Amino acid sequence: AQSVTQPDIHITVSEGASLELRCNYSYGATPYLFWYVQSPGQGLQLLLKYFSGDTLVQGIKGFEAEFKRSQSSFNLRKPSVHWSDAAEYFCAVVSDSNYQLIWGAGTKLIIKP
Amino acid sequence: KAGVTQTPRYLIKTRGQQVTLSCSPISGHRSVSWYQQTPGQGLQFLFEYFSETQRNKGNFPGRFSGRQFSNSRSEMNVSTLELGDSALYLCASSVDASGYTFGSGTRLTVV
Repeated sequence: AQSVTQPDIHITVSEGASLELRCNYSYGATPYLFWYVQSPGQGLQLLLKYFSGDTLVQGIKGFEAEFKRSQSSFNLRKPSVHWSDAAEYFCAVVSDSNYQLIWGAGTKLIIKP
Repeated sequence: KAGVTQTPRYLIKTRGQQVTLSCSPISGHRSVSWYQQTPGQGLQFLFEYFSETQRNKGNFPGRFSGRQFSNSRSEMNVSTLELGDSALYLCASSVDASGYTFGSGTRLTVV
């Protein structure tokens, strides 16, 4: 069965430092991959998505992600985080059986001043 | 263009009662999916409606049901509420699997 793993439950980063959030997926073919962000008590906002083509994907708010088939990974990066980036980040893949989203458990990002 | 609208934002219900949540998708989006988010189970797919028909269903008991109207608005209903149904219920609208836009959710608390 398809699955998504986000190995880090929490990550703490100093403001201005770089960020990398990890995401690994299990899928046979080329997956549809997403990163979403959720602020406390809010819905999910799409940061970026990958379907095919260029493996480095640019998103909103200065985020980017790189698809690496050999590592089954789709890690999210940002060169310099801001306090407003504190939130929970979810990686997801589209299921090949029902075309719905299969989610990772999320990574909570904490920003140190 | 207007986003996905979910109402109400917050609900408090008693065990055994039933509840109805509403979702208005983005204009032109015919697919509406529902997800349940809890601290213990994370995000789980409930069901999807497309053109007034349930197209897919997740692994939830029959107490969870939904429907979609001709204007693509969708409702989900939970009957005989249990404490474990307390969750954030999220609705997403889409044209296809290439992109899902989520509403702000309905926070349901069962007491």
